[in-house]
Amino acid sequence: QQQVKQSPQSLIVQKGGISIINCAYENTAFDYFPWYQQFPGKGPALLIAIRPDVSEKKEGRFTISFNKSAKQFSLHIMDSQPGDSATYFCAASTVNTGKLIFGQGTTLQVKP
Amino acid sequence: GAVVSQHPSRVICKSGTSVKIECRSLDFQATTMFWYRQFPKQSLMLMATSNEGSKATYEQGVEKDKFLINHASLTLSTLTVTSAHPEDSSFYICSAPRQQINEKLFFGSGTQLSVL
Repeated sequence: QQQVKQSPQSLIVQKGGISIINCAYENTAFDYFPWYQQFPGKGPALLIAIRPDVSEKKEGRFTISFNKSAKQFSLHIMDSQPGDSATYFCAASTVNTGKLIFGQGTTLQVKP
Repeated sequence: GAVVSQHPSRVICKSGTSVKIECRSLDFQATTMFWYRQFPKQSLMLMATSNEGSKATYEQGVEKDKFLINHASLTLSTLTVTSAHPEDSSFYICSAPRQQINEKLFFGSGTQLSVL
């Protein structure tokens, strides 16, 4: 019940295209859903996060869509750039515990 | 700039030795810090929660006697891998919440441990 399932495992997108990564969770107690970007040999960096009281959040080229009834959320990267090539992790937690449960990760490659 | 500093970034040690990794929160106090382990091309797995002034809370399957955690002050947590073996080779990452717990959770840059 603690799992967060992420797909796809890898993704190749042309420059300017839209990258879409999906996550699903089981624990209905989760109330915080962040997305992290990680480059090789570095710690993850927070991209964008959402709480379950909204269905969508947009920050620049990054958008989270959240479907509470389906227990799914996704990251959309608009106008994908080669510099976006990295590994992306979704995560979930309950705010009062601070424990993040990470998805399996998606390796994104944006081709010039 | 970085809000969580982790040191060292890379360490190579012989089997049987102990290695200490430091995690510092910069310009903010963190009563709680988290330690994660990440194997190559895998996800981050939470190892333990470090609590200032009290014992760490370990996740199921993590050996508390092997991975010693000390939260000595409101800005410093340390992870000591005792009697390290090659299977302990991994990327270790700490994190700390800057504001209310879990919001604005920042990660350190990680420590690559290689045990020969």
